[in-house]
Formats: sequence, structure tokens, C-alpha cells
Amino acid sequence: DSGVTQTPKHLITATGQRVTLRCSPRSGDLSVYWYQQSLDQGLQFLIQYYNGEERAKGNILERFSAQQFPDLHSELNLSSLELGDSALYFCASSVGLNGRPDTQYFGPGTRLTVL
Amino acid sequence: GQQVMQIPQYQHVQEGEDFTTYCNSSTTLSNIQWYKQRPGGHPVFLIQLVKSGEVKKQKRLTFQFGEAKKNSSLHITATQTTDVGTYFCAVLYGGSQGNLIFGKGTKLSVKP
Repeated sequence: DSGVTQTPKHLITATGQRVTLRCSPRSGDLSVYWYQQSLDQGLQFLIQYYNGEERAKGNILERFSAQQFPDLHSELNLSSLELGDSALYFCASSVGLNGRPDTQYFGPGTRLTVL
Repeated sequence: GQQVMQIPQYQHVQEGEDFTTYCNSSTTLSNIQWYKQRPGGHPVFLIQLVKSGEVKKQKRLTFQFGEAKKNSSLHITATQTTDVGTYFCAVLYGGSQGNLIFGKGTKLSVKP
């Protein structure tokens, strides 16, 4: 158990719909990262938040957005869903202090299926 | 952007055989991390290498970072069925609190 929690575990929805994935980082971790894992693209970085502020953006579609709240939990919002959005979505967290490279701890993931 | 190529994509071994996966980059890497993902699980951090020529061991696992810091390898001696999973190399991009750029992974299966 990494200490990172994600809900829901599974999500099945239809094309065109909107969903919200939730992540609670490890206690004390300030950085939250979202990754998408699909069979053809592997693990892809989407977006990073640090202490409530967006820090870095990766291959995140405009239909996707995220935020980190004052209690440091984060939500990833996916809208106008397409079949190709079906994937595993992982949240990871790290301490986020300056200095040595951080270790990222991954949550169990949310499996999204778009029908 | 930074990319890491990982080979092989798949490896099937008999229990007791050794296994190696390789990660290569065309540019010098500041660091490299290795993760293991069990079937149905999430990536779990194994180790980080930052120094040229660095070698680290964890029981039957040996991790190396090349002298030129452009390649890395993970070697498992005498595989066991518990080693099954996908092994990813990843590079921390954008500073010490940056995001990870993952290789495509090597999926290891072990036949008992």
C-alpha cells in the first residue's frame, strides 16, 4: 500500500459524458501527478500540481482538466469522453521539497471504460 | 522532448534463468529510475541512479547506469515467479520535482 488513494477503482461511462477522478496523496506530500496508461501509448504524464498550483503539463488533452485543493487532494476531470480515453489513470504523489530527486508513489489507479 | 527506448518489449524465461532489460537515450540523462508493475497493479518505485557508472544491488536485482549516462540496465539473477510483471525505466524531467518520462516497459513472464 503506497498511501495514495484513488476513487473510484472502476468507471464505466458512455461517449460524450464527463467524469471526475479523485486522488488523495500520501500524508505530507505536496506534489500530485496524473498519468494515463493505455496499451498502445504506455504510461504518459498528464499534469502535475504542487501545493495547489499547476506545475507542469504533459500530454493532456484540452478536454481534460485537473485541480489540487487546499487539503492537497486532487481531481482529474475528463469531459466529452471518447472511446480512446479508455485507460488506466494513475495518480502519484511525492514530497515535493527542493533538493534530491523525489520518489513518486503511485495510487492503485482508476480504470476508465468508455462505451 | 526527452525519450527513453526500452528493450526488449517482452521476455519469457524459465524460472531460474537470468533476465535483463535495457534502457537507452540519445541524450545524457541526469537520472534514471526503475519501476515494477505487477499484473493488475500500479508502478512501484525500485531504485534511482544518478551517478555515471553507478551500480546498485537489491538482492537478486542489479541496476547499472552507463558511464556516459545514456543507458541503464536492470538484471535479475535466477528469476522467480514473483518477478513476473512489467519493468519500466523512467527519467525525471524538469528538475528534482519534475514529472516522469517512462520507457515502454519490458513485460517479464516466468515459467515455473
